Amino acid sequence: GAGVSQSPSNKVTEKGKDVELRCDPISGHTALYWYRQRLGQGLEFLIYFQGNSAPDKSGLPSDRFSAERTGESVSTLTIQRTQQEDSAVYLCASSFGRSAGNTIYFGEGSWLTVV
Amino acid sequence: DQQVKQNSPSLSVQEGRISILNCDYTNSMFDYFLWYKKYPAEGPTFLISISSIKDKNEDGRFTVFLNKSAKHLSLHIVPSQPGDSAVYFCAAAPWNNDMRFGAGTRLTVKP
Repeated sequence: GAGVSQSPSNKVTEKGKDVELRCDPISGHTALYWYRQRLGQGLEFLIYFQGNSAPDKSGLPSDRFSAERTGESVSTLTIQRTQQEDSAVYLCASSFGRSAGNTIYFGEGSWLTVV
Repeated sequence: DQQVKQNSPSLSVQEGRISILNCDYTNSMFDYFLWYKKYPAEGPTFLISISSIKDKNEDGRFTVFLNKSAKHLSLHIVPSQPGDSAVYFCAAAPWNNDMRFGAGTRLTVKP
């Protein structure tokens, strides 16, 4: 499809297990973002990739969280040793280039439940 | 460090009246400001934007106002419709598009 694609759409995992969430950005978009939204809360910035520059990881809440991106394509967000407070919808977004005028487009999110 | 703040978690208005959603920011490097709308179980979708060189941008029923000196922007929806009921996120970005979002305001438009 033409939009941002995320998988899985839903994931239930046991506390302590690792999870991987995948994002396929819109083709040609050099910027990629991960956000999360916990129940009843707003969008929380996690990490930002821009082309080949070093990513902005300032939003990652702990060292259990990491993300990778291969070039300007797929990104994977990994959460190790999941905790119940990690339960949230994880949203990926992408945009063109570096201009602040570029709208970012969101995927539908990956809903993570840690039990 | 919450650089973009939406201090009202919710707002309720009557159909046909004006909805005003507010947003404040702290980073003077922000150049570009946007509003996104989010329905339950969907990703946020772009609604309207404004660059720092303007103080107003209109698109149909939606108008965004920017007051740079006060570091404040607002979204006006008039007339409000029940289908406008959603969570509205304010966002801001500097030149490199490292976009940051507010916590959102849940708008309920009552018929």
